[in-house]
Amino acid sequence: GDSVTQMEGPVTLSEEAFLTINCTYTATGYPSLFWYVQYPGEGLQLLLKATKADDKGSNKGFEATYRKETTSFHLEKGSVQVSDSAVYFCALTRGSARQLTFGSGTQLTVLP
Amino acid sequence: EAGVAQSPRYKIIEKRQSVAFWCNPISGHATLYWYQQILGQGPKLLIQFQNNGVVDDSQLPKDRFSAERLKGVDSTLKIQPAKLEDSAVYLCASNRGQNEQYFGPGTRLTVT
Repeated sequence: GDSVTQMEGPVTLSEEAFLTINCTYTATGYPSLFWYVQYPGEGLQLLLKATKADDKGSNKGFEATYRKETTSFHLEKGSVQVSDSAVYFCALTRGSARQLTFGSGTQLTVLP
Repeated sequence: EAGVAQSPRYKIIEKRQSVAFWCNPISGHATLYWYQQILGQGPKLLIQFQNNGVVDDSQLPKDRFSAERLKGVDSTLKIQPAKLEDSAVYLCASNRGQNEQYFGPGTRLTVT
Protein backbone atom coordinates (compact mmCIF):
# COMPACT_ATOMS: atom_id res chain seq x y z
CA GLY A 1 0.00 0.00 0.00
CA ASP A 2 0.88 3.67 -0.08
CA SER A 3 3.30 5.01 2.53
CA VAL A 4 5.17 8.18 3.44
CA THR A 5 8.48 8.27 5.31
CA GLN A 6 9.60 11.45 7.01
CA MET A 7 12.82 12.56 8.57
CA GLU A 8 12.90 11.73 12.26
CA GLY A 9 12.57 14.63 14.67
CA PRO A 10 12.64 16.67 16.66
CA VAL A 11 14.55 19.35 14.78
CA THR A 12 15.85 22.40 16.62
CA LEU A 13 17.21 25.39 14.71
CA SER A 14 18.22 28.94 15.44
CA GLU A 15 16.26 31.77 13.87
CA GLU A 16 17.33 32.51 10.26
CA ALA A 17 18.82 29.04 9.79
CA PHE A 18 18.13 26.95 6.68
CA LEU A 19 15.53 24.21 7.04
CA THR A 20 15.24 20.88 5.23
CA ILE A 21 12.77 18.17 6.23
CA ASN A 22 13.11 15.04 4.13
CA CYS A 23 10.11 13.14 2.82
CA THR A 24 9.99 10.09 0.56
CA TYR A 25 6.96 8.16 -0.57
CA THR A 26 5.89 4.79 -1.93
CA ALA A 27 2.84 4.74 -4.17
CA THR A 28 1.80 3.33 -7.50
CA GLY A 29 0.73 5.67 -10.24
CA TYR A 30 0.86 9.41 -9.85
CA PRO A 31 0.05 10.64 -6.36
CA SER A 32 -0.45 14.25 -5.35
CA LEU A 33 1.91 15.36 -2.59
CA PHE A 34 1.29 17.71 0.32
CA TRP A 35 2.90 19.31 3.32
CA TYR A 36 0.60 20.04 6.26
CA VAL A 37 1.52 22.04 9.35
CA GLN A 38 0.09 21.74 12.85
CA TYR A 39 0.72 24.69 15.14
CA PRO A 40 0.37 24.12 18.90
CA GLY A 41 -3.28 23.80 19.87
CA GLU A 42 -4.53 24.12 16.31
CA GLY A 43 -5.77 21.82 13.57
CA LEU A 44 -3.83 20.67 10.53
CA GLN A 45 -3.42 23.30 7.83
CA LEU A 46 -2.32 22.77 4.26
CA LEU A 47 1.07 24.43 3.73
CA LEU A 48 1.75 23.57 0.10
CA LYS A 49 1.08 20.94 -2.52
CA ALA A 50 2.25 19.57 -5.88
CA THR A 51 0.15 17.45 -8.18
CA LYS A 52 2.61 16.22 -10.81
CA ALA A 53 6.28 15.47 -11.31
CA ASP A 54 8.64 18.48 -11.25
CA ASP A 55 5.95 20.76 -9.83
CA LYS A 56 7.15 23.06 -7.09
CA GLY A 57 4.76 23.97 -4.30
CA SER A 58 5.47 27.11 -2.29
CA ASN A 59 3.88 29.13 0.49
CA LYS A 60 5.07 31.44 3.30
CA GLY A 61 8.69 31.02 2.19
CA PHE A 62 8.49 27.21 2.24
CA GLU A 63 9.13 25.20 -0.93
CA ALA A 64 9.02 21.56 -1.99
CA THR A 65 9.59 19.97 -5.41
CA TYR A 66 7.89 16.76 -6.56
CA ARG A 67 10.75 14.46 -7.65
CA LYS A 68 9.37 11.32 -9.21
CA GLU A 69 12.79 9.86 -9.98
CA THR A 70 13.72 9.86 -6.30
CA THR A 71 10.12 9.59 -4.99
CA SER A 72 10.79 12.58 -2.76
CA PHE A 73 9.11 15.84 -1.69
CA HIS A 74 11.57 17.52 0.68
CA LEU A 75 10.44 20.68 2.49
CA GLU A 76 12.84 23.65 2.54
CA LYS A 77 12.92 27.19 3.86
CA GLY A 78 15.81 29.53 3.54
CA SER A 79 15.42 31.41 6.82
CA VAL A 80 13.18 30.05 9.57
CA GLN A 81 11.42 32.18 12.18
CA VAL A 82 10.33 31.41 15.72
CA SER A 83 6.75 31.44 14.43
CA ASP A 84 7.54 28.44 12.20
CA SER A 85 7.77 26.20 15.27
CA ALA A 86 5.21 23.47 14.64
CA VAL A 87 4.82 19.86 13.56
CA TYR A 88 5.15 19.28 9.81
CA PHE A 89 3.48 16.35 8.05
CA CYS A 90 4.20 15.07 4.56
CA ALA A 91 1.23 13.37 2.90
CA LEU A 92 -0.06 11.98 -0.37
CA THR A 93 -3.35 11.23 -2.06
CA ARG A 94 -3.97 8.88 -4.94
CA GLY A 95 -7.06 8.02 -6.90
CA SER A 96 -10.51 9.50 -6.90
CA ALA A 97 -11.20 8.95 -3.17
CA ARG A 98 -8.57 11.55 -2.25
CA GLN A 99 -7.77 9.94 1.08
CA LEU A 100 -4.63 11.31 2.70
CA THR A 101 -1.77 9.03 3.73
CA PHE A 102 0.45 10.84 6.22
CA GLY A 103 4.02 10.50 7.39
CA SER A 104 4.75 10.41 11.11
CA GLY A 105 5.44 14.14 11.40
CA THR A 106 8.52 16.19 12.25
CA GLN A 107 8.55 18.53 15.23
CA LEU A 108 10.38 21.77 14.46
CA THR A 109 11.47 24.17 17.18
CA VAL A 110 13.06 27.49 16.21
CA LEU A 111 14.97 29.31 18.93
CA PRO A 112 15.42 33.10 18.97
CA GLU B 1 -16.44 30.99 6.09
CA ALA B 2 -16.69 28.97 9.29
CA GLY B 3 -14.25 26.11 9.63
CA VAL B 4 -14.79 22.49 10.59
CA ALA B 5 -16.22 22.32 14.09
CA GLN B 6 -15.61 19.46 16.50
CA SER B 7 -16.72 18.76 20.03
CA PRO B 8 -15.80 18.06 22.68
CA ARG B 9 -12.18 19.25 22.50
CA TYR B 10 -11.08 16.97 25.32
CA LYS B 11 -12.51 13.81 26.85
CA ILE B 12 -11.26 11.51 29.58
CA ILE B 13 -13.00 8.17 30.11
CA GLU B 14 -12.25 4.84 31.72
CA LYS B 15 -11.68 1.72 29.65
CA ARG B 16 -14.84 -0.14 28.67
CA GLN B 17 -16.87 3.09 28.75
CA SER B 18 -18.40 4.57 25.62
CA VAL B 19 -17.75 7.96 24.04
CA ALA B 20 -19.05 9.96 21.09
CA PHE B 21 -17.48 12.74 19.06
CA TRP B 22 -19.29 15.23 16.88
CA CYS B 23 -18.20 16.98 13.69
CA ASN B 24 -19.84 19.76 11.69
CA PRO B 25 -18.09 20.18 8.32
CA ILE B 26 -17.80 23.34 6.28
CA SER B 27 -21.10 24.22 4.63
CA GLY B 28 -21.42 22.65 1.20
CA HIS B 29 -18.65 20.11 1.68
CA ALA B 30 -20.00 16.76 0.56
CA THR B 31 -17.05 14.65 1.69
CA LEU B 32 -16.25 14.11 5.35
CA TYR B 33 -13.35 12.18 6.84
CA TRP B 34 -12.54 10.91 10.33
CA TYR B 35 -8.85 10.36 11.18
CA GLN B 36 -7.18 8.92 14.27
CA GLN B 37 -3.88 10.50 15.31
CA ILE B 38 -1.97 8.58 17.96
CA LEU B 39 0.72 10.54 19.78
CA GLY B 40 3.91 10.68 17.73
CA GLN B 41 2.25 9.38 14.56
CA GLY B 42 0.57 10.88 11.54
CA PRO B 43 -3.21 10.83 11.19
CA LYS B 44 -4.71 7.57 9.92
CA LEU B 45 -8.00 7.49 8.05
CA LEU B 46 -10.83 5.70 9.85
CA ILE B 47 -13.80 6.41 7.59
CA GLN B 48 -14.78 8.55 4.61
CA PHE B 49 -18.32 9.71 3.80
CA GLN B 50 -19.67 11.13 0.56
CA ASN B 51 -22.88 12.92 1.54
CA ASN B 52 -24.55 10.35 3.82
CA GLY B 53 -22.96 7.27 2.23
CA VAL B 54 -19.79 5.48 3.30
CA VAL B 55 -17.00 5.55 0.70
CA ASP B 56 -14.37 3.67 2.70
CA ASP B 57 -14.44 2.23 6.22
CA SER B 58 -11.82 -0.46 5.68
CA GLN B 59 -9.64 0.79 8.54
CA LEU B 60 -12.45 1.32 11.05
CA PRO B 61 -12.37 -1.26 13.89
CA LYS B 62 -16.02 -2.14 13.47
CA ASP B 63 -16.23 -4.28 16.59
CA ARG B 64 -16.01 -1.12 18.70
CA PHE B 65 -16.12 1.94 16.42
CA SER B 66 -19.14 3.23 14.53
CA ALA B 67 -19.84 6.40 12.60
CA GLU B 68 -22.82 7.96 10.92
CA ARG B 69 -23.72 10.96 8.84
CA LEU B 70 -27.45 10.62 8.63
CA LYS B 71 -28.41 13.85 6.85
CA GLY B 72 -25.22 14.28 4.89
CA VAL B 73 -24.03 17.15 7.08
CA ASP B 74 -23.01 16.51 10.73
CA SER B 75 -21.28 13.30 11.67
CA THR B 76 -20.83 11.35 14.89
CA LEU B 77 -18.04 8.88 15.68
CA LYS B 78 -18.63 6.48 18.57
CA ILE B 79 -16.39 4.10 20.47
CA GLN B 80 -17.98 1.37 22.59
CA PRO B 81 -16.31 -0.06 24.59
CA ALA B 82 -13.13 2.01 24.69
CA LYS B 83 -9.69 0.45 25.13
CA LEU B 84 -6.49 2.03 26.38
CA GLU B 85 -5.05 2.00 22.85
CA ASP B 86 -7.88 4.25 21.64
CA SER B 87 -6.22 7.20 23.37
CA ALA B 88 -5.55 9.59 20.49
CA VAL B 89 -6.68 12.78 18.81
CA TYR B 90 -9.68 12.25 16.54
CA LEU B 91 -9.67 14.62 13.60
CA CYS B 92 -12.53 15.47 11.30
CA ALA B 93 -11.91 16.91 7.84
CA SER B 94 -14.11 17.90 4.93
CA ASN B 95 -13.76 18.96 1.32
CA ARG B 96 -15.69 19.68 -1.83
CA GLY B 97 -14.87 17.49 -4.79
CA GLN B 98 -11.15 17.00 -5.42
CA ASN B 99 -10.08 20.02 -3.43
CA GLU B 100 -8.05 20.54 -0.30
CA GLN B 101 -9.21 18.89 2.90
CA TYR B 102 -9.94 21.26 5.77
CA PHE B 103 -9.33 19.92 9.27
CA GLY B 104 -11.07 20.65 12.53
CA PRO B 105 -9.16 21.21 15.80
CA GLY B 106 -9.65 17.60 16.88
CA THR B 107 -10.90 15.85 20.00
CA ARG B 108 -8.22 14.59 22.36
CA LEU B 109 -9.37 11.33 23.98
CA THR B 110 -7.64 9.85 27.01
CA VAL B 111 -8.68 6.35 28.09
CA THR B 112 -7.56 5.42 31.61
